[in-house]
Amino acid sequence: DAKTTQPNSMESNEEEPVHLPCNHSTISGTDYIHWYRQLPSQGPEYVIHGLTSNVNNRMASLAIAEDRKSSTLILHRATLRDAAVYYCILQMNSGGYQKVTFGTGTKLQVIP
Amino acid sequence: NAGVTQTPKFRVLKTGQSMTLLCAQDMNHEYMYWYRQDPGMGLRLIHYSVGEGTTAKGEVPDGYNVSRLKKQNFLLGLESAAPSQTSVYFCASSRSGGTGEQYFGPGTRLTVT
Repeated sequence: DAKTTQPNSMESNEEEPVHLPCNHSTISGTDYIHWYRQLPSQGPEYVIHGLTSNVNNRMASLAIAEDRKSSTLILHRATLRDAAVYYCILQMNSGGYQKVTFGTGTKLQVIP
Repeated sequence: NAGVTQTPKFRVLKTGQSMTLLCAQDMNHEYMYWYRQDPGMGLRLIHYSVGEGTTAKGEVPDGYNVSRLKKQNFLLGLESAAPSQTSVYFCASSRSGGTGEQYFGPGTRLTVT
């Protein structure tokens, strides 16, 4: 089964860009790459997702390696509100069969 | 628009007791999910549903049952609780499967003594 590997923790200065890496070397062709973040005592919150191409939205950018074995979540200007645990997830649906694989996440600390 | 709600927020059970966790969503989503999160860990999928009247096993289904009699509700049952089921339980819903953004509820903290 495909799984994701992320650094346990990272630090960033406020208003600096942050690059959060994720390794998913056993990804299958039907897996979508999703990123969620979780604040303490809350449910995860969707950030972004992609399949093969890089993606941008109002929250972040997602850069996907050409071989899809790794991806990077980019927060362009970290704020204190971005301090959270970030999860890289593989999500697949095929004919009603659903598979969701969470990694252990990266705890991002933002330094004022 | 309440999004995804979960009932109850906290519960303490004795070993062998049973209970049902209720998840409700008001976004008309087809897909619903139950996860558990143990301390310092990511979420693990217990069961999911791809539509009203359907359920399927996820990664860690043993000891749990689910039902989706109405589209907006997804129930998670523990027939005979065990200390190993002490965890935080999250429900989520999404419009579609692989590409679908999941909306999560606030969680239920369950302790089994």
